Amino acid sequence: DAGVTQSPTHLIKTRGQQVTLRCSPKSGHDTVSWYQQALGQGPQFIFQYYEEEERQRGNFPDRFSGHQFPNYSSELNVNALLLGDSALYLCASSPNRVYYEQYFGPGTRLTVT
Amino acid sequence: AQTVTQSQPEMSVQEAETVTLSCTYDTSESDYYLFWYKQPPSRQMILVIRQEAYKQQNATENRFSVNFQKAAKSFSLKISDSQLGDAAMYFCAYRRWEYGNKLVFGAGTILRVKS
Repeated sequence: DAGVTQSPTHLIKTRGQQVTLRCSPKSGHDTVSWYQQALGQGPQFIFQYYEEEERQRGNFPDRFSGHQFPNYSSELNVNALLLGDSALYLCASSPNRVYYEQYFGPGTRLTVT
Repeated sequence: AQTVTQSQPEMSVQEAETVTLSCTYDTSESDYYLFWYKQPPSRQMILVIRQEAYKQQNATENRFSVNFQKAAKSFSLKISDSQLGDAAMYFCAYRRWEYGNKLVFGAGTILRVKS
C-alpha cells in the first residue's frame, strides 16, 4: 500500500500564474481533504471532496478550487498566484464515516516568486 | 468557531526523560475528537494519538499518553523515555464529531531531543 501520494514534490511559480497540485488517496479511502501550511504554522483547511463534490470549505478565496475524479484522486488548483500562497500543501485521505482515520501525504512545497 | 492553542513554541528534553506538551482548545460542542500529530523534517504528518471526548479514560499509545481535562478544555501530550526519533514539530488538532468535518490545528510545538 503506497499510502497517500502527492505530486509534484516541489515547484516554483511566478506571481499571477496558475498551478495544479495532485493527490492520490490511500487505497480504500474515498474522501480527500486539502490543507495549506505556511512556514512555521499549523495546517489550515482549504476544502474536502467526497463523491466528486466539494463537501466542506475553509476560509480561502475562490482562486482556490479543486476536483475529485471517479478513482478518488484529487487536484488542487490555485489561480492568480500571490506571494502569500507560498506554502506546503498537504493532502489527507480518509474513508467516509470513519471519523478519526485521516492519513496525510508528504506535501507539495509551492514557492511563488 | 473552534480554536486550538499551543502555548509552547519550543521544548527540549534529554534522551530517556519525560516531556509534556500543552494544548488548550475552545469549543461549544460536547462531542468531538482531539489528536496529536507529529511532523518530522520529512514533512509527513503522522498521527500519534487520538482521544474521543466522550471517553473519560486518557488514551495511551506505548510511550505516548494524554491528559484530557474536558472541563478545562485541556489536552496535553506526555512522551516518556524520549528518543532521538521523537524530535519533530508536534501539532494538537480538533475535529467535530460529525463526518466530513475538518481538522483545526494549533500552531505547533518544536520538540528537540538532546543526547
